[in-house]
Amino acid sequence: EVQLVQSGGGLVKPGGSLRLSCAASGFTFSNAWMSWVRQAPGKGLEWVGRIKSKTDGGTTDYAAPVKGRFTISRDDSKNTLYLQMNSLKTEDTAVYYCTSQGSYYDFWSGQYRYYFDFWGQGTLVTVSS
Amino acid sequence: QSVLTQPPSASGTPGQRVTISCSGSSSNIGSNIVNWYQQLPGTAPKLLIYSNNQRPSGVPDRFSGSKSGTSASLAISGLQSEDEADYYCAAWDDSLNWVFGGGTKLTVL
Repeated sequence: EVQLVQSGGGLVKPGGSLRLSCAASGFTFSNAWMSWVRQAPGKGLEWVGRIKSKTDGGTTDYAAPVKGRFTISRDDSKNTLYLQMNSLKTEDTAVYYCTSQGSYYDFWSGQYRYYFDFWGQGTLVTVSS
Repeated sequence: QSVLTQPPSASGTPGQRVTISCSGSSSNIGSNIVNWYQQLPGTAPKLLIYSNNQRPSGVPDRFSGSKSGTSASLAISGLQSEDEADYYCAAWDDSLNWVFGGGTKLTVL
C-alpha cells in the first residue's frame, strides 16, 4: 500500500523558516518524481514545485510565488521528500500536500505524461505574527 | 485567479447526471493531458481521472472525463450523496508549471 506520511508544519512568524517532510512507502521512491501542492484556507489547489528522480537529473521546478524562497529536496536513502521554506509570508499560510507523480508513455505524442497519483495527508503551515 | 476556469458550483439530485467544465489554453489543456481530482470535506485530494478519460483502479465507472481542444469535462452519472465534494481539474502548462482550476463544489440535493 502506498503511503505518504507528512510531518513538520505549525505556526511561524513572517520572515521565518520551516521544513516539511514527507516519508514515502509502498513504491520505489527513488524512481518517482514528487511534487508539493498547497491549499490556502477555503481556497483551491496551487502547485508549489517538483523534483525529478535522480535518474532523470534530480532537477527542480518552482511556481513563481515561491521561487527563490522554497527549496525541494529528497533523500532517497530515507525515502523522504523535503520542502524547506524560507522568508515566509502571510500568504504562504496553507495546508501543504506532498504528492507522487504517476506517469505513462504516450506513443502518439512520443512524450511521457504525468499526473498526481498519491497524496499525503497534508500539514498546516500558519504564517502569522 | 486560477489559470484553468471551472464553475464555482454545481448541483444535482440523486441519480442525475452532472457535468463540470474546465477551460484552459493552448499552452496547457490544448497541448497536455487533463487530470481530475476529488476532494471530500476535510481530506486530501484523490486522483479521479487521468489522461483526459482514464479511471484509476477503484474509481467507479459513473465518473468519466473528456477533452476537446482547450476544454475538458468531468461527468458524473447516477449521482450519489457520497459524490458531494470539491472537484479540481489540472494540467501541465508548457511554461513549466502545473496549473489547477479553481475547483467546483458539487452539492447533491
